[in-house]
Amino acid sequence: EVQLVESGGDLVQPGGSLRLSCAASGFTFSSYWMNWVRQAPGKGLEWVASIKYDGSDKYYVESVKGRFTISRDNAKNSLYLQMNSLRAEDTAVYYCTYRNSLDTWGQGTMVTVSS
Amino acid sequence: DIQMTQSPSSLSASVGDGVTITCRASQGIGNYLAWFQQKPGKAPRSLIYAASSLQSGVPSKFSGSGSGTDFTLTISNLQSEDCATYYCQQYKSHPLTFGGGTKVEIK
Repeated sequence: EVQLVESGGDLVQPGGSLRLSCAASGFTFSSYWMNWVRQAPGKGLEWVASIKYDGSDKYYVESVKGRFTISRDNAKNSLYLQMNSLRAEDTAVYYCTYRNSLDTWGQGTMVTVSS
Repeated sequence: DIQMTQSPSSLSASVGDGVTITCRASQGIGNYLAWFQQKPGKAPRSLIYAASSLQSGVPSKFSGSGSGTDFTLTISNLQSEDCATYYCQQYKSHPLTFGGGTKVEIK
C-alpha cells in the first residue's frame, strides 16, 4: 500500500524558513515523479512543485520560484521542500503527492506564516 | 499555462440522483486529466486518472469521460457520503493546474 507521511509544518514568522519532509513507502520511490501541493485555509488546491524520479528535473509554481526548493533522497525514500523567505500567503496545508496524476496523497502538514 | 475551468461551482441534488460536473481545459490535454474528492478536514482522494480510469478501490458509481478540452465526472445514485468538493486537474504539462472545485451537497 502506498503511504506518504509529511512532517515539518510549524508556525513561522514572515521571512523565516522551514523544511518539510515526506516519508514514502509501499512503492519504488526512485521510479516516480513526486509533487508538493498546498491548500490555503478555505481555498482550493494549488500545485507547488514537482521533481523527476532521479532529481534531474524540477518545476515550481511562479509564486515560489527562487524561494522554495524541492529535493529528494531516493536512498531514504524521502521528499523535501525547503521554504525560505516565507510570506503570509504561503500559509496552507502542504501535501506530498505521488506521480503527476497525484494518485496518492499524504495527510498534510500545516504551515502558518504569521508574526 | 493551461487553465482549468470547472462548473458548476456548487450543486445540490437529492439522494439517488445522478450528477455531472464539467471541466474545460484552455487547450487540448489529451486524456491527461484526473478527478479528486475532498471532504472537510481531509486530504484529497484520487478518484479517476487518464480521464476515465477508476483508481483502485473507488466505487463504480464514479465515472469520467472526455478528451481534448472537455471532460465530465458523473456520480450516480448520490448518497450522503458523496457530499464533498470535487476537483479536476491536468497533468499534460507543467505547471500542473486544478479546476476551482465543485461543492456537492444533498438537497
